[in-house]
Amino acid sequence: TQLLEQSPQFLSIQEGENLTVYCNSSSVFSSLQWYRQEPGEGPVLLVTVVTGGEVKKLKRLTFQFGDARKDSSLHITAAQPGDTGLYLCGGANFGNEKLTFGTGTRLTIIP
Amino acid sequence: NAGVTQTPKFQVLKTGQSMTLQCAQDMNHEYMSWYRQDPGMGLRLIHYSVGAGITDQGEVPNGYNVSRSTTEDFPLRLLSAAPSQTSVYFCASSQTHYPPYNSPLHFGNGTRLTVT
Repeated sequence: TQLLEQSPQFLSIQEGENLTVYCNSSSVFSSLQWYRQEPGEGPVLLVTVVTGGEVKKLKRLTFQFGDARKDSSLHITAAQPGDTGLYLCGGANFGNEKLTFGTGTRLTIIP
Repeated sequence: NAGVTQTPKFQVLKTGQSMTLQCAQDMNHEYMSWYRQDPGMGLRLIHYSVGAGITDQGEVPNGYNVSRSTTEDFPLRLLSAAPSQTSVYFCASSQTHYPPYNSPLHFGNGTRLTVT
C-alpha cells in the first residue's frame, strides 16, 4: 500500500500570513490531486498535477509536484478566513483505479 | 443539479445490527467508490466499482458489502455493525475508470455513523 503523509497535521495562523503544507511519500505517483473539505461536506478538488516539477496556480494558492513525483506542496499567500478547511492530497498511478489519500492538514485562519 | 446524494446523513446503530448506506449520482459516471474518514487517518477506500455489475475491494473492505446493479446507485451494506465501524462515510463518483487522469472525484456530503 502506498502511503501519503501530510504535514503539519494542524496549522493555525493569522489572516494575511503565508503558509506551506506538504504531502510526502516514499513511492512514486503518476499524478497527485489536492482537495479541500469544509465541515459537514465532502472534499472538493482544487487541482491535479501530473508532471514532475509542475507548478500550478489557483489565485493565491500555488501547487508544486516534486521532480521525483514523490511529494507535493501547497503554498497559500496572504491567507484569508475562507481558506479554513481540511486539505487532503491524493495520489494515483496510471492503470490503477484507486486514489490513495493522505492524512490531511487542518488549516485555521484567524481573522 | 444534485451530483452525489448520500442518505441518511446521520445513523446510530447497536452492535450487531445491519444497515445499508445509500449513494446515488445523476452524472452518468462510470466510477463510484466508498471511503471512510477517521480522525488523523484521512480517507480510506472501502470498495469501488468501474461500472454496473463490477465491484472490487479497496484498502479496508472487511465488514462491508457492495453491489452495483445500475450506473446511478452504489449502496454500502454493513452486515453486522461493530464499534470500529463508527466513522464518517463518503461516496464519490468520477466520469472515468481512472479518476486522477481524466476527471476528479465528486463526493457526497457524507453519512455520520455511530455504532454503540
